[in-house]
Amino acid sequence: GESVGLHLPTLSVQEGDNSIINCAYSNSASDYFIWYKQESGKGPQFIIDIRSNMDKRQGQRVTVLLNKTVKHLSLQIAATQPGDSAVYFCAEVRGSQGNLIFGKGTKLSVKP
Amino acid sequence: KAGVTQTPRYLIKTRGQQVTLSCSPISGHRSVSWYQQTPGQGLQFLFEYFSETQRNKGNFPGRFSGRQFSNSRSEMNVSTLELGDSALYLCASSSTTASDTQYFGPGTRLTVL
Repeated sequence: GESVGLHLPTLSVQEGDNSIINCAYSNSASDYFIWYKQESGKGPQFIIDIRSNMDKRQGQRVTVLLNKTVKHLSLQIAATQPGDSAVYFCAEVRGSQGNLIFGKGTKLSVKP
Repeated sequence: KAGVTQTPRYLIKTRGQQVTLSCSPISGHRSVSWYQQTPGQGLQFLFEYFSETQRNKGNFPGRFSGRQFSNSRSEMNVSTLELGDSALYLCASSSTTASDTQYFGPGTRLTVL
């Protein structure tokens, strides 16, 4: 069935390194994708989004890349910090009503 | 501007009981969505409300219901609780449609014994 999934359930990086979190999606009709960060005991926090008519969008220390050809989404975090440790979810917006379909999540651990 | 607030933060119930959770959206936001988060199923969409009307519904049984008030505050109700209903229930608000950026509250942790 259609789904949004993540390639890796866990990712461990050294402080200061760059992190790349990947996500695959299967619905080519989706027109909006969002990355959320969820820290322990908190709700998901919006990081960055991208529309399907774009292939790259940059924020503060984060970049999202969208490859529609292979239906792949990635989140790049530059100079990863201990405060970046969290679970990261990609979410796909489907349909005119726009409810979010979430992937399973990737846990990012940053080693000092 | 205050964020999305949810009450209560923690709740313990027993099987067969019913529960009501509350969500206050960001001021000016009119769309409120509810999600269930469990370790096994991840984040799953429950329903979305806009202008006191349910606009969209996920694949959950009828025991899960909700409503929205004229001030955009929303409640969700779960009747005849089951053990499997133990989860983190998250509320998210957006300005007009759920396809606008959704901002989440801290969630209500429901434990069913």
